[in-house]
Amino acid sequence: AQSVTQPDIHITVSEGASLELRCNYSYGATPYLFWYVQSPGQGLQLLLKYFSGDTLVQGIKGFEAEFKRSQSSFNLRKPSVHWSDAAEYFCAVGYFAGANNLFFGTGTRLTVIP
Amino acid sequence: SAVISQKPSRDICQRGTSLTIQCQVDSQVTMMFWYRQQPGQSLTLIATANQGSEATYESGFVIDKFPISRPNLTFSTLTVSNMSPEDSSIYLCSVVGLFKTSEQYFGPGTRLTVT
Repeated sequence: AQSVTQPDIHITVSEGASLELRCNYSYGATPYLFWYVQSPGQGLQLLLKYFSGDTLVQGIKGFEAEFKRSQSSFNLRKPSVHWSDAAEYFCAVGYFAGANNLFFGTGTRLTVIP
Repeated sequence: SAVISQKPSRDICQRGTSLTIQCQVDSQVTMMFWYRQQPGQSLTLIATANQGSEATYESGFVIDKFPISRPNLTFSTLTVSNMSPEDSSIYLCSVVGLFKTSEQYFGPGTRLTVT
């Protein structure tokens, strides 16, 4: 069965520090991988996605993620965090390009301190 | 990307009543979905809204509790029927566009509280 694990429920970083949010998946084939961000009271915004090709993908707002097949991981990174990055981050896995039936991780809440 | 609106943005309802949530997209889309996000939880897919036919429900969700309509390519409704406090959640619709079939976009959500 497909599953997505985000082992960190809550992360606190200082503004300007680097960030890495972890995501591991369990799926038989190569999945389609996504990161979404949810700001308080907002819907989900797509940050980036991976389907194939270059395993390092660039997204919006300065985020990037790296797909590592050997580790079944798709970790999200940002070199320098801004206060506006404080939000909930969700990793999601899809079966195919139509992105039907996404499986979401439990989310990581990011707090940014001055 | 598609612009998605939901109405209402939030509501407080009494148990035993029903609420219909609307999802409107500013362009035609291929697929529309409804998700539930319970307090402090992740998102769970309720169903796929199919145009002109019955929705496809995920395990644990039934049509009697969550009837869904999709009369055209830009609009869908989700009704939460006979509500109980356990239905208190954020309900989100999402869409897959006509041309960017690899990406799923989400509406702002409807925050429902059942008392």
